[in-house]
Amino acid sequence: GAGVSQTPSNKVTEKGKYVELRCDPISGHTALYWYRQSLGQGPEFLIYFQGTGAADDSGLPNDRFFAVRPEGSVSTLKIQRTERGDSAVYLCASSASGTSVYNEQFFGPGTRLTVL
Amino acid sequence: GNSVTQMEGPVTLSEEAFLTINCTYTATGYPSLFWYVQYPGEGLQLLLKATKADDKGSNKGFEATYRKETTSFHLEKGSVQVSDSAVYFCALSHINFNKFYFGSGTKLNVKP
Repeated sequence: GAGVSQTPSNKVTEKGKYVELRCDPISGHTALYWYRQSLGQGPEFLIYFQGTGAADDSGLPNDRFFAVRPEGSVSTLKIQRTERGDSAVYLCASSASGTSVYNEQFFGPGTRLTVL
Repeated sequence: GNSVTQMEGPVTLSEEAFLTINCTYTATGYPSLFWYVQYPGEGLQLLLKATKADDKGSNKGFEATYRKETTSFHLEKGSVQVSDSAVYFCALSHINFNKFYFGSGTKLNVKP
């Protein structure tokens, strides 16, 4: 079946602009995760959704970052007033249930965001 | 706090060579440990995992043993193939928690 998909695959924007990054999880997966991967680093946790609600948003770096999942499937990560330091690959993952790390997280290919 | 440290890459080996990628961790409590692999142009994939001390995770000829006494989870493979060329990430998480803490990744290049 289809895996996790993310759009766009690449996004170039100018400093100060607003961007939205989309994630389509595997059908039926209730848990959804966003990570950010800077160049030469491992993925860094941003936020976790269980269903429609954000169960853990402790990784969001500041209030310019926001994510929604209104119907419990597709999620959008929103970044306001982008800064050059926001440039990174944004990864999305989903799992059948978020209640345990025994439930494997399946990762999408990522969106590469470049802020000029 | 929680963190993972991996050996820096890139690691370049000839086909059929023995592979070791070192991983050590710092964690509160008793984490589960994972290795993820990222092939060129693809998303991260779970390679193997171990959920308690002395457990050995294995998959596709790769192995790693959860060593609590040395806080390590080194990845090994006896005979690498060109198709193993990828970036390998060590990670930890806690049961009932939902976030992973990843190392910085180790790029493996296998030459024919």
